[in-house]
Amino acid sequence: DVKVTQSSRYLVKRTGEKVFLECVQDMDHENMFWYRQDPGLGLRLIYFSYDVKMKEKGDIPEGYSVSREKKERFSLILESASTNQTSMYLCASSPGPYNEQFFGPGTRLTVL
Amino acid sequence: RKEVEQDPGPFNVPEGATVAFNCTYSNSASQSFFWYRQDCRKEPKLLMSVYSSGNEDGRFTAQLNRASQYISLLIRDSKLSDSATYLCVVTQTGANNLFFGTGTRLTVIP
Repeated sequence: DVKVTQSSRYLVKRTGEKVFLECVQDMDHENMFWYRQDPGLGLRLIYFSYDVKMKEKGDIPEGYSVSREKKERFSLILESASTNQTSMYLCASSPGPYNEQFFGPGTRLTVL
Repeated sequence: RKEVEQDPGPFNVPEGATVAFNCTYSNSASQSFFWYRQDCRKEPKLLMSVYSSGNEDGRFTAQLNRASQYISLLIRDSKLSDSATYLCVVTQTGANNLFFGTGTRLTVIP
């Protein structure tokens, strides 16, 4: 069974803090993704990576950065958190670009 | 224009009813198609892939119409446990990611 884990289920941070969200997958998948999900807007792609140390911007990369130093781990970084980054963050992985994605349980981030 | 469009609903149907969702996609180069299910405050999970010839999994039937660029999901004999949001998902040749619709919310009423 594919397992994607995320470091926290719930996180509360203050405006201006640096925030790290970590994602780990155990199926040796090439591709990993970070999304945010907001009511009425659906899933929006922030960044994705198709190989170690490779990253590509998604639809809404502003205010975020990512790191993929190891194949199994993909980190999302909010350099200076803002209230409009309050959201559900979902990590996913897949073996290839045309395959289904497997999601982690999500991190609900609140920025005060 | 959005890559994938769905009617957000909500669809409120009685137990035992048959319900159908449609989803349209904008890019004719779309290659793979999926339906995902997302329960409240949970992550999306794959419900079924959609094949060109159509496919069935128990009470669920998925169809693809490439000419009209839409996919459909039919749920027969609805159960209370079918209540969820159903996400339409497509890929495109040359793209390294999936495109998600905003989802259709289904509530099955006793």
